[in-house]
Amino acid sequence: KAGVTQTPRYLIKTRGQQVTLSCSPISGHRSVSWYQQTPGQGLQFLFEYFSETQRNKGNFPGRFSGRQFSNSRSEMNVSTLELGDSALYLCASSFQRDYGYTFGSGTRLTVV
Amino acid sequence: DQQVKQNSPSLSVQEGRISILNCDYTNSMFDYFLWYKKYPAEGPTFLISISSIKDKNEDGRFTVFLNKSAKHLSLHIVPSQPGDSAVYFCAASARNSGGYQKVTFGIGTKLQVIP
Repeated sequence: KAGVTQTPRYLIKTRGQQVTLSCSPISGHRSVSWYQQTPGQGLQFLFEYFSETQRNKGNFPGRFSGRQFSNSRSEMNVSTLELGDSALYLCASSFQRDYGYTFGSGTRLTVV
Repeated sequence: DQQVKQNSPSLSVQEGRISILNCDYTNSMFDYFLWYKKYPAEGPTFLISISSIKDKNEDGRFTVFLNKSAKHLSLHIVPSQPGDSAVYFCAASARNSGGYQKVTFGIGTKLQVIP
């Protein structure tokens, strides 16, 4: 069974640009969550989608947005990139919480 | 405001001995707790979980203990193996006002098991 797939693995963008990251969850998983990981900050929750609806949102500015498609695939968009947005962005899918999340390998975003 | 705190950024343990990773939380609404392990260049991997109605859950070498009155949980690894060397994240889940769960992670503890 395929795991959670995130593309691209690595990305370098210039300050002010925008970026779109993609996540394909495990087949049958309808919940997709996004996290930002930076050194010293752990995993910061961005948002969670379930059946194309955003159910939860973290404390990030409006430059961070996301969506989920009918096939459960999800995209995350960051507009007007700042240097501080450089981080590992992780996507996770779940069937139900008793089984925990399955994470993808992440997209490493570097803003220069 | 860190609702899930892992106060030890790193821990070194001799192979074969017990590793104890600690986690404290402040939100009394958390009702489900999880531990994840993360190797470099990989996403976190779910390890073990515990519901707030229990005080202990065991899975092989891994045991999680929950002390609700102290708002504290710990992960015990016995015996520790070099392959256990990784960053361990504590996480806690609570329902938001809409009834949907939100999972909050700690900043992680880097465990090194010395052969």
